[in-house]
Amino acid sequence: AQKVTQAQTEISVVEKEDVTLDCVYETRDTTYYLFWYKQPPSGELVFLIRRNSFDEQNEISGRYSWNFQKSTSSFNFTITASQVVDSAVYFCALSELLAAGNKLTFGGGTRVLVKP
Amino acid sequence: NAGVTQTPKFRVLKTGQSMTLLCAQDMNHEYMYWYRQDPGMGLRLIHYSVGEGTTAKGEVPDGYNVSRLKKQNFLLGLESAAPSQTSVYFCASSPLTSGLPHADTQYFGPGTRLTVL
Repeated sequence: AQKVTQAQTEISVVEKEDVTLDCVYETRDTTYYLFWYKQPPSGELVFLIRRNSFDEQNEISGRYSWNFQKSTSSFNFTITASQVVDSAVYFCALSELLAAGNKLTFGGGTRVLVKP
Repeated sequence: NAGVTQTPKFRVLKTGQSMTLLCAQDMNHEYMYWYRQDPGMGLRLIHYSVGEGTTAKGEVPDGYNVSRLKKQNFLLGLESAAPSQTSVYFCASSPLTSGLPHADTQYFGPGTRLTVL
């Protein structure tokens, strides 16, 4: 069975500090897809990024960056120069192909609190 | 486009009551899903659908039924609500653009907060 572990349950930082969220996954699939979602206090889930298992290039999008390392089964997420609006719960997820369709296996989430 | 919408946003039920949660998407997506989110946990898949008229069980299907009579709608039913079903319910949809279902991004609705007393 697939598993996603986000060991950090809550991280508190002061505005402008960098924050890195850890994500470790387990899968027997050779081809798989990883996702990060953001859940702000309003409750909706916002898609941030998708990465496939055969593309290990790191990615930067504005203040967000992602470090995918297949050798350690990790897909970490960094927010640079954090802002109060970054306060949210962040979920890492692994997509599993089913007999028909697919499902996302989520980690438990990391709550990020950015203080002014 | 409204994306994925859910009705209602909040609901309080008494044990044994029934209700239906409605999910609608206007993106012409093939796949639709129902998840539940419990405190301190990630989302868990209840049921899903790969097309109109088809449904399948997910990870935690007991106590729930679903129907997808129209491509744009996916209904989640609780026949006899129990306190253990107190949760936030999320609907999601995804297209089938790459031929690999697990490659496509799932887009989520705003959620329904359900309390069963």
